[in-house]
Amino acid sequence: DTGVSQNPRHKITKRGQNVTFRCDPISEHNRLYWYRQTLGQGPEFLTYFQNEAQLEKSRLLSDRFSAERPKGSFSTLEIQRTEQGDSAMYLCASSFGGRQETQYFGPGTRLLVL
Amino acid sequence: GQNIDQPTEMTATEGAIVQINCTYQTSGFNGLFWYQQHAGEAPTFLSYNVLDGLEEKGRFSSFLSRSKGYSYLLLKELQMKDSASYLCAVRDLQSGGSYIPTFGRGTSLIVHP
Repeated sequence: DTGVSQNPRHKITKRGQNVTFRCDPISEHNRLYWYRQTLGQGPEFLTYFQNEAQLEKSRLLSDRFSAERPKGSFSTLEIQRTEQGDSAMYLCASSFGGRQETQYFGPGTRLLVL
Repeated sequence: GQNIDQPTEMTATEGAIVQINCTYQTSGFNGLFWYQQHAGEAPTFLSYNVLDGLEEKGRFSSFLSRSKGYSYLLLKELQMKDSASYLCAVRDLQSGGSYIPTFGRGTSLIVHP
């Protein structure tokens, strides 16, 4: 068990460009979450997958954001036409379900939009 | 929706005890988590409460009162390495029918020698 991994760890892009991040959850975990975190704030929920189905999406999430989990394993988060306000740490977490359903977080992808 | 409130910052002395409070307003409550997050790192799980009462795990304890919408995290015998942000997260029912943890802004704890 190598934990949750995310790639890339850092991304610098120019405003207007598209970016894609990848998350590989813990192998037996069927639930996957994306959060965004800015300095001094807690993680803000973006979207949630159970297996390959996207079951929840934050109402605050712009339509420039899209996420997929095509085979119920890894997931990708794409941001189109990036804006400076998109600069943040993007965290992925996975869980197995059950009564407690503890989330295990990846190291995050830090995005800077210039 | 929900509202989670916790102090922005606290300071304490090495070896002392500190209590970090969290209050929340939500519907469809299904558990409360505490996470620790060191600067530049991912959150790591500390504790989980779904029933009223105290859960103890080594130097850390967490308490929940569902009727009051209140929890606290108690850290004993503070060490310098406990300097971190402590995140309160409440799992509640979302519009799509799933239970999702929503995080507070976190409490930055600074431990002094």
